Amino acid sequence: KNEVEQSPQNLTAQEGEFITINCSYSVGISALHWLQQHPGGGIVSLFMLSSGKKKHGRLIATINIQEKHSSLHITASHPRDSAVYICAVGGGYGGSQGNLIFGKGTKLSVKP
Amino acid sequence: EAGVAQSPRYKIIEKRQSVAFWCNPISGHATLYWYQQILGQGPKLLIQFQNNGVVDDSQLPKDRFSAERLKGVDSTLKIQPAKLEDSAVYLCASSLAPDSSYEQYFGPGTRLTVT
Repeated sequence: KNEVEQSPQNLTAQEGEFITINCSYSVGISALHWLQQHPGGGIVSLFMLSSGKKKHGRLIATINIQEKHSSLHITASHPRDSAVYICAVGGGYGGSQGNLIFGKGTKLSVKP
Repeated sequence: EAGVAQSPRYKIIEKRQSVAFWCNPISGHATLYWYQQILGQGPKLLIQFQNNGVVDDSQLPKDRFSAERLKGVDSTLKIQPAKLEDSAVYLCASSLAPDSSYEQYFGPGTRLTVT
Protein backbone atom coordinates (compact mmCIF):
# COMPACT_ATOMS: atom_id res chain seq x y z
CA LYS A 1 0.00 0.00 0.00
CA ASN A 2 1.35 3.40 -0.98
CA GLU A 3 1.89 5.91 1.79
CA VAL A 4 0.01 8.55 -0.19
CA GLU A 5 -3.13 7.57 -2.07
CA GLN A 6 -5.05 9.85 -4.40
CA SER A 7 -8.50 9.45 -5.88
CA PRO A 8 -9.69 9.46 -8.49
CA GLN A 9 -6.75 8.62 -10.76
CA ASN A 10 -8.49 10.21 -13.73
CA LEU A 11 -11.28 12.76 -13.79
CA THR A 12 -13.15 14.28 -16.69
CA ALA A 13 -15.44 17.24 -16.04
CA GLN A 14 -17.47 19.74 -17.99
CA GLU A 15 -16.52 23.39 -17.80
CA GLY A 16 -18.14 25.03 -14.81
CA GLU A 17 -18.37 21.89 -12.68
CA PHE A 18 -17.21 21.71 -9.06
CA ILE A 19 -14.30 19.29 -8.75
CA THR A 20 -12.95 17.42 -5.75
CA ILE A 21 -9.69 15.47 -5.62
CA ASN A 22 -8.90 13.43 -2.53
CA CYS A 23 -5.65 12.49 -0.82
CA SER A 24 -5.20 10.01 2.03
CA TYR A 25 -1.92 9.28 3.75
CA SER A 26 -0.74 6.71 6.25
CA VAL A 27 2.30 8.40 7.83
CA GLY A 28 2.64 11.12 10.42
CA ILE A 29 3.16 14.45 8.72
CA SER A 30 3.92 18.05 9.47
CA ALA A 31 2.95 19.39 6.06
CA LEU A 32 0.89 18.45 3.03
CA HIS A 33 1.39 20.00 -0.38
CA TRP A 34 -0.85 20.19 -3.41
CA LEU A 35 1.02 20.58 -6.69
CA GLN A 36 -0.04 21.07 -10.29
CA GLN A 37 1.78 19.52 -13.23
CA HIS A 38 1.00 20.59 -16.78
CA PRO A 39 1.90 18.56 -19.89
CA GLY A 40 5.58 19.13 -20.53
CA GLY A 41 6.51 18.36 -16.95
CA GLY A 42 6.64 21.65 -15.06
CA ILE A 43 5.40 21.38 -11.46
CA VAL A 44 3.96 24.32 -9.58
CA SER A 45 3.14 24.45 -5.89
CA LEU A 46 -0.50 25.33 -5.19
CA PHE A 47 -0.83 24.99 -1.42
CA MET A 48 1.04 23.94 1.68
CA LEU A 49 -1.20 22.89 4.58
CA SER A 50 -0.56 21.84 8.12
CA SER A 51 -4.12 22.32 9.35
CA GLY A 52 -7.51 23.70 8.37
CA LYS A 53 -8.27 25.23 5.03
CA LYS A 54 -6.68 27.53 2.46
CA LYS A 55 -8.21 29.32 -0.51
CA HIS A 56 -6.61 30.85 -3.56
CA GLY A 57 -8.89 32.08 -6.28
CA ARG A 58 -11.06 29.17 -7.41
CA LEU A 59 -8.95 26.62 -5.54
CA ILE A 60 -9.66 25.46 -2.00
CA ALA A 61 -7.59 22.94 -0.04
CA THR A 62 -8.60 21.34 3.24
CA ILE A 63 -6.89 18.93 5.58
CA ASN A 64 -8.14 16.75 8.43
CA ILE A 65 -5.10 15.69 10.45
CA GLN A 66 -7.03 13.21 12.61
CA GLU A 67 -8.44 11.41 9.59
CA LYS A 68 -5.19 11.78 7.58
CA HIS A 69 -7.11 13.13 4.63
CA SER A 70 -6.97 16.20 2.42
CA SER A 71 -9.13 17.46 -0.42
CA LEU A 72 -8.49 19.87 -3.25
CA HIS A 73 -11.56 21.59 -4.65
CA ILE A 74 -11.85 23.57 -7.87
CA THR A 75 -14.90 25.75 -8.24
CA ALA A 76 -16.23 26.82 -11.66
CA SER A 77 -13.72 24.59 -13.46
CA HIS A 78 -12.18 25.77 -16.73
CA PRO A 79 -10.33 23.92 -19.51
CA ARG A 80 -7.11 25.65 -18.41
CA ASP A 81 -7.41 23.72 -15.12
CA SER A 82 -6.64 20.54 -17.07
CA ALA A 83 -3.48 19.14 -15.53
CA VAL A 84 -2.23 16.48 -13.16
CA TYR A 85 -2.75 17.36 -9.50
CA ILE A 86 -0.31 15.78 -7.08
CA CYS A 87 -0.55 15.44 -3.32
CA ALA A 88 2.71 15.21 -1.33
CA VAL A 89 3.38 14.88 2.39
CA GLY A 90 6.41 15.54 4.55
CA GLY A 91 7.47 14.76 8.09
CA GLY A 92 9.12 17.95 9.14
CA TYR A 93 12.62 19.34 9.38
CA GLY A 94 15.91 17.74 8.68
CA GLY A 95 17.20 14.57 7.14
CA SER A 96 14.71 12.39 5.40
CA GLN A 97 11.88 14.03 7.39
CA GLY A 98 12.34 17.07 5.20
CA ASN A 99 11.59 15.03 2.12
CA LEU A 100 8.24 14.80 0.42
CA ILE A 101 6.41 11.58 -0.40
CA PHE A 102 4.32 12.01 -3.52
CA GLY A 103 1.06 10.48 -4.62
CA LYS A 104 0.68 9.22 -8.17
CA GLY A 105 -1.41 12.20 -9.16
CA THR A 106 -4.93 12.79 -10.46
CA LYS A 107 -5.23 13.60 -14.13
CA LEU A 108 -7.97 16.19 -14.63
CA SER A 109 -9.45 17.01 -18.00
CA VAL A 110 -12.01 19.81 -18.21
CA LYS A 111 -14.04 19.86 -21.42
CA PRO A 112 -15.45 23.10 -22.82
CA GLU B 1 13.50 36.03 -9.56
CA ALA B 2 14.87 33.37 -11.89
CA GLY B 3 13.47 29.89 -11.42
CA VAL B 4 15.21 26.54 -11.29
CA ALA B 5 17.08 25.92 -14.53
CA GLN B 6 17.69 22.49 -16.01
CA SER B 7 19.40 21.25 -19.13
CA PRO B 8 19.04 19.55 -21.45
CA ARG B 9 15.24 19.48 -21.77
CA TYR B 10 15.24 16.28 -23.79
CA LYS B 11 17.75 13.50 -24.29
CA ILE B 12 17.61 10.27 -26.24
CA ILE B 13 20.37 7.70 -25.72
CA GLU B 14 20.93 4.02 -26.29
CA LYS B 15 21.14 1.61 -23.39
CA ARG B 16 24.58 1.28 -21.84
CA GLN B 17 25.46 4.86 -22.85
CA SER B 18 26.04 7.55 -20.25
CA VAL B 19 24.17 10.81 -19.75
CA ALA B 20 24.44 13.85 -17.49
CA PHE B 21 21.87 16.38 -16.38
CA TRP B 22 22.51 19.83 -14.99
CA CYS B 23 20.53 21.90 -12.52
CA ASN B 24 20.93 25.45 -11.27
CA PRO B 25 18.67 26.15 -8.27
CA ILE B 26 17.13 29.41 -7.19
CA SER B 27 19.76 31.73 -5.77
CA GLY B 28 20.05 31.34 -2.01
CA HIS B 29 18.32 27.99 -1.84
CA ALA B 30 20.45 25.70 0.28
CA THR B 31 18.48 22.52 -0.37
CA LEU B 32 18.47 20.82 -3.76
CA TYR B 33 16.54 17.70 -4.77
CA TRP B 34 16.75 15.38 -7.75
CA TYR B 35 13.62 13.38 -8.54
CA GLN B 36 12.83 10.66 -11.04
CA GLN B 37 9.30 10.66 -12.43
CA ILE B 38 8.27 7.64 -14.45
CA LEU B 39 5.23 8.08 -16.70
CA GLY B 40 2.03 7.81 -14.68
CA GLN B 41 3.79 8.01 -11.32
CA GLY B 42 4.54 10.72 -8.84
CA PRO B 43 8.11 12.00 -8.46
CA LYS B 44 10.48 9.76 -6.50
CA LEU B 45 13.36 11.31 -4.60
CA LEU B 46 16.78 10.22 -5.82
CA ILE B 47 19.02 12.48 -3.76
CA GLN B 48 18.80 15.52 -1.49
CA PHE B 49 21.64 17.99 -0.94
CA GLN B 50 22.00 20.53 1.83
CA ASN B 51 24.57 22.99 0.49
CA ASN B 52 27.28 20.66 -0.86
CA GLY B 53 26.53 17.75 1.45
CA VAL B 54 24.29 14.75 0.80
CA VAL B 55 21.35 14.50 3.21
CA ASP B 56 19.50 11.53 1.72
CA ASP B 57 20.53 9.28 -1.15
CA SER B 58 18.83 6.12 0.07
CA GLN B 59 16.85 5.66 -3.16
CA LEU B 60 19.69 6.46 -5.54
CA PRO B 61 20.83 3.37 -7.53
CA LYS B 62 24.45 3.97 -6.70
CA ASP B 63 25.77 1.32 -9.05
CA ARG B 64 24.80 3.50 -12.01
CA PHE B 65 23.67 6.89 -10.73
CA SER B 66 25.87 9.59 -9.24
CA ALA B 67 25.30 13.21 -8.31
CA GLU B 68 27.34 16.08 -7.04
CA ARG B 69 26.94 19.63 -5.88
CA LEU B 70 30.54 20.58 -5.40
CA LYS B 71 30.23 24.31 -4.67
CA GLY B 72 26.83 24.12 -3.04
CA VAL B 73 25.10 25.82 -5.95
CA ASP B 74 24.50 23.97 -9.21
CA SER B 75 24.37 20.21 -9.43
CA THR B 76 24.85 17.41 -11.93
CA LEU B 77 23.20 13.99 -12.03
CA LYS B 78 24.85 11.26 -14.07
CA ILE B 79 23.70 7.84 -15.23
CA GLN B 80 26.32 5.38 -16.39
CA PRO B 81 25.45 2.97 -17.95
CA ALA B 82 21.80 3.71 -18.73
CA LYS B 83 19.14 1.02 -18.76
CA LEU B 84 15.79 0.98 -20.52
CA GLU B 85 13.99 1.43 -17.19
CA ASP B 86 15.79 4.75 -16.64
CA SER B 87 13.46 6.35 -19.20
CA ALA B 88 11.72 9.04 -17.18
CA VAL B 89 11.57 12.76 -16.49
CA TYR B 90 14.33 13.91 -14.14
CA LEU B 91 13.23 16.85 -12.06
CA CYS B 92 15.38 19.17 -10.02
CA ALA B 93 13.86 21.21 -7.21
CA SER B 94 15.19 23.60 -4.61
CA SER B 95 14.00 25.09 -1.34
CA LEU B 96 15.30 27.45 1.31
CA ALA B 97 15.69 24.74 3.92
CA PRO B 98 15.39 20.96 4.38
CA ASP B 99 11.94 21.29 5.90
CA SER B 100 8.82 19.81 4.36
CA SER B 101 6.84 22.90 5.34
CA TYR B 102 8.90 24.95 2.90
CA GLU B 103 7.78 25.23 -0.72
CA GLN B 104 9.85 23.33 -3.25
CA TYR B 105 10.43 25.07 -6.58
CA PHE B 106 10.72 22.72 -9.54
CA GLY B 107 12.64 23.05 -12.75
CA PRO B 108 11.09 22.13 -16.13
CA GLY B 109 12.66 18.67 -16.05
CA THR B 110 14.73 16.62 -18.47
CA ARG B 111 12.86 13.96 -20.39
CA LEU B 112 15.20 10.98 -20.91
CA THR B 113 14.42 8.23 -23.40
CA VAL B 114 16.65 5.16 -23.36
CA THR B 115 16.32 2.96 -26.46
